[in-house]
Amino acid sequence: QVQLVESGGGVVQPGRSLRLSCAASGFTFSDYGVHWVRQAPGKGLEWVAVISYDGSDKYYADSVKGRFTISRDNSKNTLYLQMDSLKAEDTAVYYCAKGLATNPYWGQGTLVTVSS
Amino acid sequence: SYELTQPPSVSVSPGQTARITCSGDALPKKYAYWYQQKSGQAPVLVIYEDNKRPSGIPERFSGSSSGTKATLTISGAPEADEGDYYCFSTDSSGNHWVFGGGTKLTVL
Repeated sequence: QVQLVESGGGVVQPGRSLRLSCAASGFTFSDYGVHWVRQAPGKGLEWVAVISYDGSDKYYADSVKGRFTISRDNSKNTLYLQMDSLKAEDTAVYYCAKGLATNPYWGQGTLVTVSS
Repeated sequence: SYELTQPPSVSVSPGQTARITCSGDALPKKYAYWYQQKSGQAPVLVIYEDNKRPSGIPERFSGSSSGTKATLTISGAPEADEGDYYCFSTDSSGNHWVFGGGTKLTVL
């Protein structure tokens, strides 16, 4: 079965960096684009970024553009989100997800807390 | 940046029809998708491509889109349908996705 397992969350100070990972299994990872979506505590869903199946196309929400970088390693079936210059407003649960517009699968999420 | 606008809350009595709207300038050319999220759970897709129901979603869920507004309709909503509903779509380029702000549905 399809599984997406995020890791790498934690507490980080403002201005610092963090890298999230999402390990995929149960499907041919290299055939699919994959998204990052976040949800701040008590708030709504926010789309963060998407990467095409081969990594050639990447798109970001304005709120993270220039600070976050999405990437993937198809040989390791893993999606990444490099988060730099973190702000308090980046505090959220971060989900990786595939097939958001068709047959969606979501990971369980990893919590990122940006606080001094 | 592109935005999708939803009412913050909708309230109906059990068995009534709930309608949740989503407004966005690109909706005349881009599909709307609807997610349901219950407290502490992952979102569930209830409508895709404006009006299609995924397998396993009850027939009481339906969607429509006209002009710059998409609508999720829940006919005869039971209390179990309480939760947050989000519309989801892309901007006119098709590359940047966005969620609406979410609508809290209360069935009471």
